[in-house]
Amino acid sequence: SQQGEEDPQALSIQEGENATMNCSYKTSINNLQWYRQNSGRGLVHLILIRSNEREKHSGRLRVTLDTSKKSSSLLITASRAADTASYFCATIAYNAGGTSYGKLTFGQGTILTVHP
Amino acid sequence: GAVVSQHPSWVICKSGTSVKIECRSLDFQATTMFWYRQFPKQSLMLMATSNEGSKATYEQGVEKDKFLINHASLTLSTLTVTSAHPEDSSFYICSPLEPGQYNEQFFGPGTRLTVL
Repeated sequence: SQQGEEDPQALSIQEGENATMNCSYKTSINNLQWYRQNSGRGLVHLILIRSNEREKHSGRLRVTLDTSKKSSSLLITASRAADTASYFCATIAYNAGGTSYGKLTFGQGTILTVHP
Repeated sequence: GAVVSQHPSWVICKSGTSVKIECRSLDFQATTMFWYRQFPKQSLMLMATSNEGSKATYEQGVEKDKFLINHASLTLSTLTVTSAHPEDSSFYICSPLEPGQYNEQFFGPGTRLTVL
């Protein structure tokens, strides 16, 4: 089952506005990643935030992480029509011994539509 | 980023036929390959994990005899959907993984399978 729940499921905004998407997860994490998927395409890695970080920036992207609430948010500032896509958070599974095999668990995703 | 190709990008087949999907990592060696399935407006669900030269590990609920995975080389993995039925219609995405490269994973562009 999907670990992450994302909110909202769909977001429609005008160009120039900011878009905020939230993600919650259930287990302990080492890091949390955000991916983007254009319609009918594969995923592209956007940004990673480690469990000991609270905020991270990359261009127009700002990610926050609250490990006490097991939640993260992705903010896209000054959105553009080209930002229209689905956005997913993802976490990596670790076994009891702390070993990961790289298996990602994705949230349900937010469909972002930016109108020109 | 790394280049991953999938072939075909889309396929339409009759019920009962088998379909093979190829995934290639073009500029790195993938010791592990993840295969995902994505239904419309849903998130990615991991189907199976394969390591080069060994049998794939399937997620709960995924029939290993129906979804045959071959990972014979470090740059090529194939997923064969045997005796496909309309409920197998979905978007299939591969994700090859270099050892330890967990923090920025790469995905193929996906294959849209439609079973009539």
